[in-house]
Amino acid sequence: QSALTQPRSVSGSPGQSITISCTGNSSDVGGYNYVSWYQQRPGKAPKLMIFDVIKRPSGVPDRFSGSKSGNTASLTISGLQADDESDYYCCSYAGSYTVFGGGTQLTVL
Amino acid sequence: QVHLVESGGGLVKPGGSLRLSCSASGFTFSDYYMSWVRQAPGKGLEWVSFISSSSSYTNYADSVRGRFTISRDNAENSLSLQMDSLKAEDTAVYYCASYGPTSYFDYWGQGILVTVSS
Repeated sequence: QSALTQPRSVSGSPGQSITISCTGNSSDVGGYNYVSWYQQRPGKAPKLMIFDVIKRPSGVPDRFSGSKSGNTASLTISGLQADDESDYYCCSYAGSYTVFGGGTQLTVL
Repeated sequence: QVHLVESGGGLVKPGGSLRLSCSASGFTFSDYYMSWVRQAPGKGLEWVSFISSSSSYTNYADSVRGRFTISRDNAENSLSLQMDSLKAEDTAVYYCASYGPTSYFDYWGQGILVTVSS
């Protein structure tokens, strides 16, 4: 049950687009279209932003989008806003359990 | 509105036990798989366990298998996590979360801190 690999940090300026990668293997990310993404603000519970690789829950802005290629999933945030500054975690089904990535800190410059 | 509230956390000595509870409201609890996710101080998220809607199926992370037991009471809209043989590395904020059909966590509680220390 190894964690998925995410960059420790990414940054961008307001209005720009950023992409956060999430790399696993054929037993998790690459084997299923069951990748989800979570936003977590300091001291708060995580919030579901993307599920099933590309789907957005009701209320999540369409500036947030997900994709996957092979063993790597990605979260793209377009039109970056100051309020997007948070930690982001990817997550994938892995056959009989669920595995998270190590998290990425997004800084809006 | 979905509401999940954890309780039962606190300070416990290594080797000790603790039972976490999660009270659910605002949705049909008995229709949902449920899960526990934890986060050690300053660290990332770690899936701990999940339980099916009828309690017929459970699973655990390798790090807690054999020590933790998940259960639920659909009549009381509650989820529990019995934690035995606790170790220092179990110190974390524990979140109760609903677990969607394709392994996503759609609703979360506010979390409860468990500290294992002598």
